[in-house]
Amino acid sequence: QKEVEQNSGPLSVPEGAIASLNCTYSDRVSQSFFWYRQYSGKSPELIMSIYSNGDKEDGRFTAQLNKASQYVSLLIRDSQPSDSATYLCAGGMRGGADGLTFGKGTHLIIQP
Amino acid sequence: DADVTQTPRNRITKTGKRIMLECSQTKGHDRMYWYRQDPGLGLRLIYYSFDVKDINKGEISDGYSVSRQAQAKFSLSLESAIPNQTALYFCATSEGLLAGVRETQYFGPGTRLLVL
Repeated sequence: QKEVEQNSGPLSVPEGAIASLNCTYSDRVSQSFFWYRQYSGKSPELIMSIYSNGDKEDGRFTAQLNKASQYVSLLIRDSQPSDSATYLCAGGMRGGADGLTFGKGTHLIIQP
Repeated sequence: DADVTQTPRNRITKTGKRIMLECSQTKGHDRMYWYRQDPGLGLRLIYYSFDVKDINKGEISDGYSVSRQAQAKFSLSLESAIPNQTALYFCATSEGLLAGVRETQYFGPGTRLLVL
């Protein structure tokens, strides 16, 4: 199994709906997880980080971590056209101190 | 001013040439990283540094070298560039908190490199 896997998409979601992005990972990156958003031609910017099992909410974003099943998800509520971007899931040991392992990213399109 | 800057932003070079990409940061972070991004492959770690005297290889260090000239500066060199090093290169920094605690990485704007 590759270390961090994501469906590349594109994932198309109507404006105002909930966008659900998923990521699975191998044991080697099983400590800390991060969701980054990347607009075309731009650098990744952090959306959410999660370290413990369960849900973590920040505004319209909710990150979910299930270590038993080795998956991480990101929910975006009330999706806006400005949410259209590539979402990168990343994991790392030691809180990411030794660098992050990224998935290939999911391309999200919010349809007006 | 941007907290993490990269120079140059775009570069075209020829096979066999030596090239240096530079990264500077004003965030005061100890840890710095170099990643490359290729279409369909995501970001991959090349090298990382915890401080001036601590340099570590990442997943794909072959063909690259780095120099940490100061806390704020971390350079990536391609000693003899080859076409498959054509990619988007990102520098990142993090605060260097205790291991196991969040280490958010902040990315620079990237350098787009084309090797002919």
